[in-house]
Amino acid sequence: DSGVTQTPKHLITATGQRVTLRCSPRSGDLSVYWYQQSLDQGLQFLIQYYNGEERAKGNILERFSAQQFPDLHSELNLSSLELGDSALYFCASSVGTGEETQYFGPGTRLLVL
Amino acid sequence: EDQVTQSPEALRLQEGESSSLNCSYTVSGLRGLFWYRQDPGKGPEFLFTLYSAGEEKEKERLKATLTKKESFLHITAPKPEDSATYLCAVRGQGGKLIFGQGTELSVKP
Repeated sequence: DSGVTQTPKHLITATGQRVTLRCSPRSGDLSVYWYQQSLDQGLQFLIQYYNGEERAKGNILERFSAQQFPDLHSELNLSSLELGDSALYFCASSVGTGEETQYFGPGTRLLVL
Repeated sequence: EDQVTQSPEALRLQEGESSSLNCSYTVSGLRGLFWYRQDPGKGPEFLFTLYSAGEEKEKERLKATLTKKESFLHITAPKPEDSATYLCAVRGQGGKLIFGQGTELSVKP
C-alpha cells in the first residue's frame, strides 16, 4: 500500500458525459501528479500540482482539467468524454517538486461506452 | 526530446533462470531514473531510484544499475511471484516522469 488513495476504482459512463476522479496523496506529500495509461500509449503524464498551484502540464486535453484543494487532495475532471478516453487514470504524490520518488495510487479504470 | 526505450517487450523465464531487462534513455540532465513494478490492473509499485552513473541498488532478487545511457534491472533466480510488468522512467522537465513501454516478465515454475 503506497498511502495514495483514489476513488472510484471503476467508472462506466457514456460518450459526452463528465466525470470527476479523486485522489488523496500520502500524508506529508505536497505534490500530486496525474497520469493516463492506455494500451497503446503507456503511462503518460497529464498534469502536476504543488501545494494548490499548477506546476507542470503534459499532454492534457482541453476537455480535461484538475485542481488541488487546501487539504491537498486533488480532482481530475474529464468532460465531453469520448471512447478514446477509456483508460486507467493514476494519481501519484511526492514530498516536493525536486528529485523525490513519486508513489502511485491504485488507479481509476474509466470505461466510456 | 526526452525518451525511454525498454527491451525486450516481453520475457519468459523458467523459475531460477536469471536474466536482465534493459532501459535506454535520452534526457537533458538526468534527475533520477526510476524502476517500478506493475501488476495487471494495479498502480505502479516503486522499486528503485538511481541518480548517477555507476550507482547500483539491490532488493531481494532484483538489482538495478545505471550508466550514462542505460539502466539494467537484473533478476537473479526469479520466482513465479516476480511475474509483472517492469517499468522504467526518467524525470523530465517540471518533475514529470517519462515512462518506457515496459517489459512484461513471466516466470514459469
